[in-house]
Amino acid sequence: EAGVAQSPRYKIIEKRQSVAFWCNPISGHATLYWYQQILGQGPKLLIQFQNNGVVDDSQLPKDRFSAERLKGVDSTLKIQPAKLEDSAVYLCASSSGQGAGNQPQHFGDGTRLSIL
Amino acid sequence: GESVGLHLPTLSVQEGDNSIINCAYSNSASDYFIWYKQESGKGPQFIIDIRSNMDKRQGQRVTVLLNKTVKHLSLQIAATQPGDSAVYFCAENRSGGTSYGKLTFGQGTILTVHP
Repeated sequence: EAGVAQSPRYKIIEKRQSVAFWCNPISGHATLYWYQQILGQGPKLLIQFQNNGVVDDSQLPKDRFSAERLKGVDSTLKIQPAKLEDSAVYLCASSSGQGAGNQPQHFGDGTRLSIL
Repeated sequence: GESVGLHLPTLSVQEGDNSIINCAYSNSASDYFIWYKQESGKGPQFIIDIRSNMDKRQGQRVTVLLNKTVKHLSLQIAATQPGDSAVYFCAENRSGGTSYGKLTFGQGTILTVHP
């Protein structure tokens, strides 16, 4: 089966600009996650969707970050305006069933964001 | 707060040796654990998982051991190969309550396999 698809692979922007990332999860996976991975650290969950509803966005900086999964399949993550500390890899993951408690999460290769 | 950590940030082994990567977790309510392998420029790749009702699980060349008494998790890789060189992360999850589905990752261990 095809894995989690993410685009773009790389993005370079200046601070205060906006940027958007796209994710297509594994077909049939109801749960979708966005993670931020800063260099040298493990991924940190930003937001979790179950179908088109938000399950957990407690770690999402809502003053600048937003995410949507309108039709319960693809998802976009947006940053506006970007700050220097947003430089990181943004990973999308998906899982079947009711989240990681039942099934492992499978990750895409991420978007590497550099803020100048 | 809840956290998952690794004892050793780097591990170097010779090709053919067995590797052991360790992980400590602090949330005694965690009931599901996963090991991921992450190569440079790629996303984490699922290796093996284990639920808290087990203390050992084996896969192809890999074994995960769970010691709930001391909240310790380990990943054993048999006959380590150069292709096993990567960063290895453990992650934990508590299935119920507000943490449902939320994986907490450790910092990672860099495994280097020398031919």
